[in-house]
Amino acid sequence: QVRLVQSGAEVKKPGSSVKVSCKTSGDTFSDYSISWLRQAPGQTLEWMGGIIPMFDTADYAHKFQDRVTLTADESTTTVYMELASLRLDDTAMYFCAKLNRLAGSFDSWGQGTLVTVSS
Amino acid sequence: QSALTQPASVAGSPGQAITISCTGNTSDIGTFNFVSWYQQHPGKVPKLIIYEVNKRPSGVSNRFSGSKSGSTASLTISGLQAEDEADYYCCSYAGTSLSYVFGPGTWVTVL
Repeated sequence: QVRLVQSGAEVKKPGSSVKVSCKTSGDTFSDYSISWLRQAPGQTLEWMGGIIPMFDTADYAHKFQDRVTLTADESTTTVYMELASLRLDDTAMYFCAKLNRLAGSFDSWGQGTLVTVSS
Repeated sequence: QSALTQPASVAGSPGQAITISCTGNTSDIGTFNFVSWYQQHPGKVPKLIIYEVNKRPSGVSNRFSGSKSGSTASLTISGLQAEDEADYYCCSYAGTSLSYVFGPGTWVTVL
């Protein structure tokens, strides 16, 4: 069973960037895919993109592809999500989750990182 | 606006069965069997309860079941319990262009 532990809450100004980390443990890091999802207050979940450390390749949702960068550090088994050009409506809880690629489902989740964008 | 549609809320009495629908189109639910359901209690992390339309992860109660017909998926909760009061989100793979899409969520009230 994979365990995902995310970095702490962030408060950012509009126009700046935020980088959130997701430390993984309990399984072979390179063998799986990590996705990032977000949930604005009172809203649904939104898939932002995913990365497969083994292939060092990332896929992004069209909505985010110009502003999101996903990276992976195999030495620390940590995945990072950087979101640039922050806007007020980027205020949300950000989750990393392990994607079971064979089942198309997110079976393990990090605890979430609250990102607040405020002027 | 979500790519999938769900009722905003569903209510039932303890012991009853309720069903939540999730309607997509031929680009997602209608084509792929990668339909999953997540339970989320207020302030908590989403939890996978159904994957691949009708499979339950280990440890999930067999009171939860899933099905699909055409472009509509459904989640049924039988023997409703107080602890089932939560938001439920459906999710579908939508191909490489959209990847994963979610419904707006359904709040289940146990009367």
